[in-house]
Amino acid sequence: EVDLVQSGGGLVKPGGSLRLSCSASGFPFSSFAMNWVRQAPGKGLEWVSYITHNGGTVRYAESLKGRFTISRDNAKNSLYLQMNSLRAEDTAVYYCATQFSEYYPLANWGPGTLVTVSS
Amino acid sequence: DIQMTQSPSSLSASVGDRVTITCRASQNIHTYLNWYRQTPGKAPQLLIYSASSLQSGVPSRFSGSGSGAHFTLTISSLQPEDLATYYCQQSSMTPYTFGQGTKLEI
Repeated sequence: EVDLVQSGGGLVKPGGSLRLSCSASGFPFSSFAMNWVRQAPGKGLEWVSYITHNGGTVRYAESLKGRFTISRDNAKNSLYLQMNSLRAEDTAVYYCATQFSEYYPLANWGPGTLVTVSS
Repeated sequence: DIQMTQSPSSLSASVGDRVTITCRASQNIHTYLNWYRQTPGKAPQLLIYSASSLQSGVPSRFSGSGSGAHFTLTISSLQPEDLATYYCQQSSMTPYTFGQGTKLEI
């Protein structure tokens, strides 16, 4: 059974940094692409970033480029999102999600972790 | 970016009703269209992928259709647990984009 355990959320001041983690089990993590999706309070879903199974290709929402960095460690079955220069509008629940490969759906989702950017 | 537009934004229905939600893409996405259900406080759950394929474990009352730029999600007989917000999402190209959601009230 696919299990995604998320950690790293919390309260951070504007301009600060956070690193989110997503620990995977129950499937061949190194064979799957992964994504981050976020949801601001009371709002809809917003795709954040994508990384191929081997980390060779990464993509970002245009508005986040330069501030967020996606990465993975296949030896640790873990996905990461490094978030820098955080703004109030980055406040959201952040979900990690599996994707077998490009064009496929986001099949399994983590429970989400809340990031709050506030002074 | 590909814009996804869902209608209606909210819908009130009764148990046993047949419900249809529509999703339109701003360009041809073939059948790279997925549907998700999100109950309050929970992560989204994949219901339908590739426009019409039912995800394993999802009840057969859910079905999807469409291709190109026009898609529909149908719930054949609404159940109380279907109280949720439903999102379409295109996986044709990044940035992957979602519809704004349809909140289903029962």
